[in-house]
Amino acid sequence: DGGITQSPKYLFRKEGQNVTLSCEQNLNHDAMYWYRQDPGQGLRLIYYSQIVNDFQKGDIAEGYSVSREKKESFPLTVTSAQKNPTAFYLCASSKAGRRQPVWGIQYFGAGTRLSVL
Amino acid sequence: GQQLNQSPQSMFIQEGEDVSMNCTSSSIFNTWLWYKQDPGEGPVLLIALYKAGELTSNGRLTAQFGITRKDSFLNISASIPSDVGIYFCAGQLNSGGGADGLTFGKGTHLIIQP
Repeated sequence: DGGITQSPKYLFRKEGQNVTLSCEQNLNHDAMYWYRQDPGQGLRLIYYSQIVNDFQKGDIAEGYSVSREKKESFPLTVTSAQKNPTAFYLCASSKAGRRQPVWGIQYFGAGTRLSVL
Repeated sequence: GQQLNQSPQSMFIQEGEDVSMNCTSSSIFNTWLWYKQDPGEGPVLLIALYKAGELTSNGRLTAQFGITRKDSFLNISASIPSDVGIYFCAGQLNSGGGADGLTFGKGTHLIIQP
């Protein structure tokens, strides 16, 4: 079945450590996104990528980095510069293009819950 | 940046009751989406709206794209226990050429009392 796979489901980070969250999709989507969700809050955009080897900062990019070397993959690294990394991280993907109605529909993975030890 | 106000924050209802929630924005959007999120899972798309004034149904769910393009509502009729979860509205501007991220409301937590 087509979909978005995030791994791991749970992740623990030590002080000063970088950790990488995986996101893979087999939907043949061009665009991919990373969101952060805190309790009682909506989703906030960290980074997004419209095409391979290109990505843009979202609203809360500080302390995070991404790469987009393959269409199917968009890993997120939470660096030691992110002082409050504990959150639920969601990856999404969508078709990209100029023809509506496909632009708006983003499909989400099941999420990775990151905690600090 | 753009902000979405979603209300109510939470709803406690009896099974069988109808539910209504809405989102308002300080800016216009070209697309409104409604998602449902179960605990520990990613959001799942319920309804997508692409034109001002559009009214779309999906089973017991009905959503409308406001005429001003700054608001949207979601109604659930005859609620059932599996409707429990957090409902998010999301808006997207789709400003020419880019696949922009969505702006999300903070969610409406629906709780159904037996």
